[in-house]
Amino acid sequence: VLTQSPATLSLSPGERATLSCRASQSVSSSLAWYQQKRGQAPRLLIYDASRRATGIPARFSGSGSGTDFTLTISSLEPEDFAVYYCQQSTNWVTFGGGTKVEIK
Amino acid sequence: QVQLQESGPGLVKPSQTLSLTCTVSGGSISSGDYYWSWIRQHPGKGLEWIAYIFDSGANYYNPSLNSRVAISIDTSENQFSLQLSSVTAADTAVYYCARGNRFLAWFLDIWGQGTLVTVSP
Repeated sequence: VLTQSPATLSLSPGERATLSCRASQSVSSSLAWYQQKRGQAPRLLIYDASRRATGIPARFSGSGSGTDFTLTISSLEPEDFAVYYCQQSTNWVTFGGGTKVEIK
Repeated sequence: QVQLQESGPGLVKPSQTLSLTCTVSGGSISSGDYYWSWIRQHPGKGLEWIAYIFDSGANYYNPSLNSRVAISIDTSENQFSLQLSSVTAADTAVYYCARGNRFLAWFLDIWGQGTLVTVSP
């Protein structure tokens, strides 16, 4: 099970966002982060816990291993307000419940 | 550029079988470097993985849906398909097909736009 926190993050453009994903058992570094905007399919941001996917801006970074992971957006741009999901692939495929990053 | 497109009925009656197809364009489905997956999203909710399949036919199912799900692949048509039997209103969701990429640690790098399936009489 992947537990994401907080459920909602209210921030202003330019602020730093820190999203958490905790696994109920170790997934090593087999964790990804996706961004989903309303009415769109998810987009892969980070894989292997810390590797940025092609075309993903450097303001997105991932860290962690084992059971605790973090997605950081260093300075929020208007287009970053969306829902973010973590996903593990060690034990089948499971997604976290999501964190909504909304404009404060 | 590889693209995925879901197709199938948008309305299915309770107890019937939901059938969806994902057509892969811009690249071949016949590669051991990828797997082909179905994921769904209930209205206003999170993502739920359903199943995935390799071009060899090897497949894996979400244990919670295993008894009702079948995934298949047709390499000659560059398509893969999902069948979900005995559907109820709880199966109403947006269904996505997606590609898992070996070069990205098997994470899902390309997604279809999704198709809403409603289960209703």
